[in-house]
Amino acid sequence: SYVLTQPPSVSVAPGHTAWMTCGGDKIGSNSVHWYQQKPGQAPVLVVHDDDDRPSGIPERFSGSNSGNTATLIINGVEAEDEAVYYCQVWDSSGDPVLFGGGTKLTVL
Amino acid sequence: VQLVQSGADVKRPGASVKVACKASGYAFTGNFIHWVRQAPGQGLEWMGWMNPNSGGTIYSKKFEGRVTLTRDKSTTTAYMELTRLTSDDTAVYFCARGSGDFPPFGHWGQGTLVVVSS
Repeated sequence: SYVLTQPPSVSVAPGHTAWMTCGGDKIGSNSVHWYQQKPGQAPVLVVHDDDDRPSGIPERFSGSNSGNTATLIINGVEAEDEAVYYCQVWDSSGDPVLFGGGTKLTVL
Repeated sequence: VQLVQSGADVKRPGASVKVACKASGYAFTGNFIHWVRQAPGQGLEWMGWMNPNSGGTIYSKKFEGRVTLTRDKSTTTAYMELTRLTSDDTAVYFCARGSGDFPPFGHWGQGTLVVVSS
């Protein structure tokens, strides 16, 4: 079955850029969605369909997807961005809704 | 759009739990409702979806045979019932929906903690 691989943790200083990856076989041919989850809260959609932002999500959030890697990019990271980020795709080969294991973003 | 879930619950191993998800602010039958769970300190795990219009369901292979998704159109409430509980089922259970029937999930319930303990 399809597997999405995310690094467990990423650290970045405030004001710098954070890149969080999501690896999967030919993931570039899938649409990838990204969720932010803070402790004790439900996930929030921050990027959908690789690189679109829902209304209300700051412009510093963006995404890319090509080959075997999708990436969530946060430009000018702020303290409030500290959270766990999950990628998600539609998988036609197994369970249709698949999440990555999540990356904890620490703002130094 | 609002998805408001029932409160936390404690169950004994072997019991069943039924979690409610009250939908408001949109046409209840217009979008599938999905269920996602999260064990303590773990990631998100999709459990299945339910078509509120027809009642049709699709379940994750992991939960097939133990999970049942239903709805009550008169109260615009979706339900997730999980049977034969073990301690591994201790988790927060979320309902969610997208702008269409499938992901991305732009709307989530607040989550319901289910603790399975003897």
